Amino acid sequence: QSALTQPASVSGSPGQSITISCTGTSSDIGAHQLVSWYQKHPGRAPKVIIHEVTKRPSGVSSRFSASKSGSTAFLTISGLQSDDEADYYCSSYAGTNTFLVFGGGTKVTVL
Amino acid sequence: EVQLLESGGGLVQTGGSLRLSCAASGFTFSSHGMSWVRQAPGKGLEWVSAVSPSGSRTPYADSVKGRFTISRDNSRNRLYLQMHSLRPEDTATYYCAKDFYMGHYFDYWGQGILVTVSS
Repeated sequence: QSALTQPASVSGSPGQSITISCTGTSSDIGAHQLVSWYQKHPGRAPKVIIHEVTKRPSGVSSRFSASKSGSTAFLTISGLQSDDEADYYCSSYAGTNTFLVFGGGTKVTVL
Repeated sequence: EVQLLESGGGLVQTGGSLRLSCAASGFTFSSHGMSWVRQAPGKGLEWVSAVSPSGSRTPYADSVKGRFTISRDNSRNRLYLQMHSLRPEDTATYYCAKDFYMGHYFDYWGQGILVTVSS
């Protein structure tokens, strides 16, 4: 059982927007501004697409955006494209004892 | 260009040991925390352990605490993961990841190395 809870799958048609939720607790997402999102295609290494809740690394499409409310973080992919079909993982710093937790991952399917 | 190259994976029996290495290049290794993250077949990502730039701080996931030891050699730009008392549930692809800042996020990842623990 993962520490952060994500929906197992989300789907959308090309051009649509989808949102993935990531629910944690007051010890991780709720306590720190250190939520990250990673995109992972099969057979490839994960790639950071969002860090520190809302920041997008250089080179990452502006179609990816994120936010946080309380202990839940959200990733939105707008203008869905076929290449967005991948697994998406959230993670959060969780303090000095637990240190870091991941969500169980969400499989995004482009219909 | 940042490169992280894992090695040392393979097949091991339950109860056995294995040592993973990660050769880093393209950045000032001694200035960054490093982590190991794994992904079991068909499962999600699981953070395993991290090490601070100096090596003084080494948190572990509960699932590996007492069995795995993370370490680093800043003179050789290498990260290690010594794994003992391996279990079938440790079977996974293990990724070496560079921390932008310890606990913040992983800005670079290796391609991963497969560890298979047979029962």
